Amino acid sequence: AQKITQTQPGMFVQEKEAVTLDCTYDTSDPSYGLFWYKQPSSGEMIFLIYQGSYDQQNATEGRYSLNFQKARKSANLVISASQLGDSAMYFCAMREGLGGTSGSRLTFGEGTQLTVNP
Amino acid sequence: ETGVTQTPRHLVMGMTNKKSLKCEQHLGHNAMYWYKQSAKKPLELMFVYSLEERVENNSVPSRFSPECPNSSHLFLHLHTLQPEDSALYLCASSHGTSIYEQYFGPGTRLTVT
Repeated sequence: AQKITQTQPGMFVQEKEAVTLDCTYDTSDPSYGLFWYKQPSSGEMIFLIYQGSYDQQNATEGRYSLNFQKARKSANLVISASQLGDSAMYFCAMREGLGGTSGSRLTFGEGTQLTVNP
Repeated sequence: ETGVTQTPRHLVMGMTNKKSLKCEQHLGHNAMYWYKQSAKKPLELMFVYSLEERVENNSVPSRFSPECPNSSHLFLHLHTLQPEDSALYLCASSHGTSIYEQYFGPGTRLTVT
């Protein structure tokens, strides 16, 4: 079974509107972290936001917020007031277990291509 | 230089060539990673180095050979590649549990002819 599922291959949104990108995950580990990354056409992966499995509140970072529903195992990314520069590929990722000193193993979803229309 | 840098940004090589990809991180991290991103597939973790020791080799063919001479540098040596190895190769670094996220470099776009 896939550990990270992003069901929307492509999404379109009008500039200045909000958009939600879906992500569901599968893990039996009680300790995990969820990440969203943005990948513009230039290729680099840009970290956007992080949610820990024990965090009581939804993570927010500027125009990005994470709608974390633990019981449903979903971690949707909400982008408010979309801008043309938000057009990119967006990846949801999960890290299971404690990182320790051995680093963090991330499992990525297939991504959602977001297009912001003027 | 800041963050994670990768060179070259683009590489075209024949199947009999030997080339190397270079990654350098300026963030003081102690773990580094190689990922492969093929078209229409999720990122695939290839190798993980922690404190200059390889801690994970994700069933990668031996034609890919990583090297981590110190905590700031990571190489991926390429030898006798196949056309299906054409992809974007991304390097990332992280710092244990203190900072959860991995920081990525811009990637090397590899084309094998």
